[in-house]
Amino acid sequence: SQQGEEDPQALSIQEGENATMNCSYKTSINNLQWYRQNSGRGLVHLILIRSNEREKHSGRLRVTLDTSKKSSSLLITASRAADTASYFCGTWTAGSYQLTFGKGTKLSVIP
Amino acid sequence: KAGVTQTPRYLIKTRGQQVTLSCSPISGHRSVSWYQQTPGQGLQFLFEYFSETQRNKGNFPGRFSGRQFSNSRSEMNVSTLELGDSALYLCASSAQQGTAGNYEQYFGPGTRLTVT
Repeated sequence: SQQGEEDPQALSIQEGENATMNCSYKTSINNLQWYRQNSGRGLVHLILIRSNEREKHSGRLRVTLDTSKKSSSLLITASRAADTASYFCGTWTAGSYQLTFGKGTKLSVIP
Repeated sequence: KAGVTQTPRYLIKTRGQQVTLSCSPISGHRSVSWYQQTPGQGLQFLFEYFSETQRNKGNFPGRFSGRQFSNSRSEMNVSTLELGDSALYLCASSAQQGTAGNYEQYFGPGTRLTVT
């Protein structure tokens, strides 16, 4: 069953613009992880944010986590055509030994 | 380090047949997970193994099974294939050992299974 729900389902922006994707989840989590998937290939890990953290950065990526609202956001700044992909958030609950994913946001960056 | 490898990359099977998919994790990783990805259901967790022990199983019928070997390599098997089993099957490995899960998962390229 889906725990996370990404929003929007699809996003189309111009190269150089910022892209923001949101993820909401239902139960208490240990951490939340964002992944990128290019066209039916494997998932690539982007950022892991623990439940006691509020914000993390990695290059052009910024992730926030609000556990009171059970939501997270992924911001990609100065987007590039190569950022075109589907983005998924996965949540990890203690003792579950699994990531529970939403259905993803499909990002298209137009050159 | 070499990444997670999955074999075969593509597979076409007929309804009623069985299939075995293989996954070799990153060296040193003892946790291996399997996920099924379909357009309709998205990414669904199948099972997770650590040191040859299955620690969790997703909500899939008994036709789906898996195992892990002493070298951490893992296989999953689907018996009596149905059309709905057509999917991308992804394997992931991680360094995580305990329950906290504060380790990233490294995914392989997947095996694309088509059932006709």
